[in-house]
Amino acid sequence: SQQGEEDPQALSIQEGENATMNCSYKTSINNLQWYRQNSGRGLVHLILIRSNEREKHSGRLRVTLDTSKKSSSLLITASRAADTASYFCATGRSNDYKLSFGAGTTVTVRA
Amino acid sequence: SAVISQKPSRDICQRGTSLTIQCQVDSQVTMMFWYRQQPGQSLTLIATANQGSEATYESGFVIDKFPISRPNLTFSTLTVSNLSPEDSSIYLCSVVTSGGSLRSYEQYFGPGTRLTVT
Repeated sequence: SQQGEEDPQALSIQEGENATMNCSYKTSINNLQWYRQNSGRGLVHLILIRSNEREKHSGRLRVTLDTSKKSSSLLITASRAADTASYFCATGRSNDYKLSFGAGTTVTVRA
Repeated sequence: SAVISQKPSRDICQRGTSLTIQCQVDSQVTMMFWYRQQPGQSLTLIATANQGSEATYESGFVIDKFPISRPNLTFSTLTVSNLSPEDSSIYLCSVVTSGGSLRSYEQYFGPGTRLTVT
């Protein structure tokens, strides 16, 4: 079952602006992974943050993790039209390799 | 990472028939999974494809409806049987490429198979 909740459900921003989306979860995790999905196709792996990490960067992406609040955020800086997609967080469970996905945030970047 | 391919990429099937989806990985992988994404929804795990043994199904999914094979460490198939319009979804396979710590593994997804049942 899904344990992640993401907000906002949808986000519309102007090109060049930053986009921030949040993910909350309910149980203890080993890691949290963010994915991008374009037009209902396959998922592209963006970044993994371990449960003992608080912040991670990859290019224009910045991910934070607060295990005390059971929440994570994904920041996309200087957004581009190509960033238009749905973004999902997925939590890795404590005892196996399975992932539980959040509901996703749909991001639209306007030119 | 791993290069994952799925066949077919999309199909339109009639009610009552079955569709078999193939997932091929370019390297041996530890774990393979099958997910379903219903229209406008997030991903739900169907089962873990176990090499050489029966798949492990999540609650709400059964072998008769979703038989899975995994004959080796690079290939798996998912069959969706006795199709109904409610089975219209994107089906995705995913892999974990190494048996590293549970904190560090990354899971990669195939491009998905879009199934429409009429």
